[in-house]
Amino acid sequence: GESVGLHLPTLSVQEGDNSIINCAYSNSASDYFIWYKQESGKGPQFIIDIRSNMDKRQGQRVTVLLNKTVKHLSLQIAATQPGDSAVYFCAETPYNFNKFYFGSGTKLNVKP
Amino acid sequence: DTGVSQDPRHKITKRGQNVTFRCDPISEHNRLYWYRQTLGQGPEFLTYFQNEAQLEKSRLLSDRFSAERPKGSFSTLEIQRTEQGDSAMYLCASSPGRSQETQYFGPGTRLLVL
Repeated sequence: GESVGLHLPTLSVQEGDNSIINCAYSNSASDYFIWYKQESGKGPQFIIDIRSNMDKRQGQRVTVLLNKTVKHLSLQIAATQPGDSAVYFCAETPYNFNKFYFGSGTKLNVKP
Repeated sequence: DTGVSQDPRHKITKRGQNVTFRCDPISEHNRLYWYRQTLGQGPEFLTYFQNEAQLEKSRLLSDRFSAERPKGSFSTLEIQRTEQGDSAMYLCASSPGRSQETQYFGPGTRLLVL
């Protein structure tokens, strides 16, 4: 299948460890942020989102942190599993949701 | 399977030919987006529809590209006079709108222009 991970920064972690993936965004007016997971040959899959009036949101095994002061977004994955291996993208949009801007992506490689 | 379907999944064409892709969003999703993705890059926004109205177009969308969503349900993306630089994955996504903004992506159409 298609490889979406060519030439991307790669994070390698051991199975069971926690992973932290970082993203810097550029638009101060962005109001809504999303993390996506993309496996080879598939479209991006929604993981978790956060609005600009929050600084932290937790899901199942995942946490998103938003620091608007430095325009930084992070995704924390607890107890990383081999099935988490994929490319992860952050995306941002202004309040009207008329367009989304995606980051360049990070490839997560989970070693068993 | 997210419920968003795209057709065809793969398309090989010769430079100069026209191609058309179709996206069927999840039923009753008001918002529909088209993106283009090349290897090693994140998706690039192309255009956005709210129901049948095309409300946003990227500068990336040259005059060779046109998109429609005639009845506010399925959408088509046409590329005229294809160029080798058009080779990419074309992704469609939909979301309910009305404060429910999670986007669901289709599997994409892989275009190769020879």
